[in-house]
Amino acid sequence: AQSVTQLGSHVSVSEGALVLLRCNYSSSVPPYLFWYVQYPNQGLQLLLKYTTGATLVKGINGFEAEFKKSETSFHLTKPSAHMSDAAEYFCAVIWTGGYQKVTFGIGTKLQVIP
Amino acid sequence: NAGVTQTPKFRVLKTGQSMTLLCAQDMNHEYMYWYRQDPGMGLRLIHYSVGEGTTAKGEVPDGYNVSRLKKQNFLLGLESAAPSQTSVYFCASSGRLAGVANTGELFFGEGSRLTVL
Repeated sequence: AQSVTQLGSHVSVSEGALVLLRCNYSSSVPPYLFWYVQYPNQGLQLLLKYTTGATLVKGINGFEAEFKKSETSFHLTKPSAHMSDAAEYFCAVIWTGGYQKVTFGIGTKLQVIP
Repeated sequence: NAGVTQTPKFRVLKTGQSMTLLCAQDMNHEYMYWYRQDPGMGLRLIHYSVGEGTTAKGEVPDGYNVSRLKKQNFLLGLESAAPSQTSVYFCASSGRLAGVANTGELFFGEGSRLTVL
């Protein structure tokens, strides 16, 4: 079955430390990959996406992610965490074929410690 | 610059009451979705639509109905609300995948918080 796995439902980092949020997917065909961010009491907004081409993609607020086909991963990173990065992050996959099905990971809440 | 608009933003219902959540998008998107978000469970798809006049069931459709009479609107109905339907509901829309012209990004509304007593 097609699935998206986010390791760690809660991640805590110190301000200025590296942020690493993990996402793995199961698929036999290359999917479209996304990271969304949700700030408290708001809807989700796109952080970055991979469709084709360069496997390292850059998004807003200094985040980036690398698509590794051999590892079926799309981990999100940021070199230096800021207090404003505290939010919930969702990895999402569009499975090409069919009705354009979107599957979300369960989400990772990022806490930034001053 | 509205994007996706959900109404109402908050609602309290008693068990057995009915209500409708309205989602409107102004981006001419083909696809529209209703999700519910519950603590520790991520986003779960309730129903979706691939175009005007079409709807289909998602992961958790029981207790909900939907309609898409106009391309820009997607309605979610609860005929007889239950406490288990207390949740935050999100509507989203996206265009049809079309290479670089459209990569399937979802645009979300701000959510509708529903409490069923």
